[in-house]
Amino acid sequence: KAGVTQTPRYLIKTRGQQVTLSCSPISGHRSVSWYQQTPGQGLQFLFEYFSETQRNKGNFPGRFSGRQFSNSRSEMNVSTLELGDSALYLCASSTGLAATNVDTQYFGPGTRLTVL
Amino acid sequence: AQSVAQPEDQVNVAEGNPLTVKCTYSVSGNPYLFWYVQYPNRGLQFLLKYITGDNLVKGSYGFEAEFNKSQTSFHLKKPSALVSDSALYFCASRPPSGYSTLTFGKGTMLLVSP
Repeated sequence: KAGVTQTPRYLIKTRGQQVTLSCSPISGHRSVSWYQQTPGQGLQFLFEYFSETQRNKGNFPGRFSGRQFSNSRSEMNVSTLELGDSALYLCASSTGLAATNVDTQYFGPGTRLTVL
Repeated sequence: AQSVAQPEDQVNVAEGNPLTVKCTYSVSGNPYLFWYVQYPNRGLQFLLKYITGDNLVKGSYGFEAEFNKSQTSFHLKKPSALVSDSALYFCASRPPSGYSTLTFGKGTMLLVSP
C-alpha cells in the first residue's frame, strides 16, 4: 500500500504571497490532519478533515485554511505569508474512526516552506 | 486537556547499550499513547501505540514501551541501541474517543555513538 504523499516537498515564497500544499492519504483513509513543525513550537495541530468536512481545528489564524475532496485528498492554503510561517508542514492520514484501536495516524514526508 | 512531556532534550547512549527515552502524560481518562520517530528531513514514522491491555507494548525496529498508570509514564525502550537509531523521538497522546488529533511532546533527540 502506498504511503502518504505530499507535494511539493520544498517551497520558497516571499512575504505576502499565498501557498497551497497538497496531501494524498493512504488508500481507504478518510481522515487527513495537518500539523506545523517548527524548532521553537514543536509539532502543532492545524486542522483535521474527515469526509470533506473540517471536524477539528487548532489554534491558528484564519490565514490557514484547508479543504478535502471526495477522494480524501486534502489541500492546505496559507494566505498573506509571514516569516513565522516558515516550517515543515506535515500531513497525516488515518481511518478517522477514532473509537477503534486501529486509528493510527501515518505521516507524509512533509513540505518544507521557507518564507523570505 | 491533554499534555505530554518529554523531560530530556537529548539522550546519549553507546551502541549496544540499552536505551530509554522518557515520556509522561497528563490525560483525562484512559489515554491512547504513541511513539513516533523522525529522521532528518523526513516525516514522522509510527513506532508503537498503547491502547489498552498489556502494559508492555512491542513495536517496530525492536522498540518497546512500558505504560505505567501510577507514574503516568510511557517510556520508550530498546535493549541494544544501534547507531542508526539516532533520530528525533516524539511521544504523543490522543483522547480515547472523539477526534484523532494528536498532542505531541517537544521531542527527544537520541544520539547513539559507535
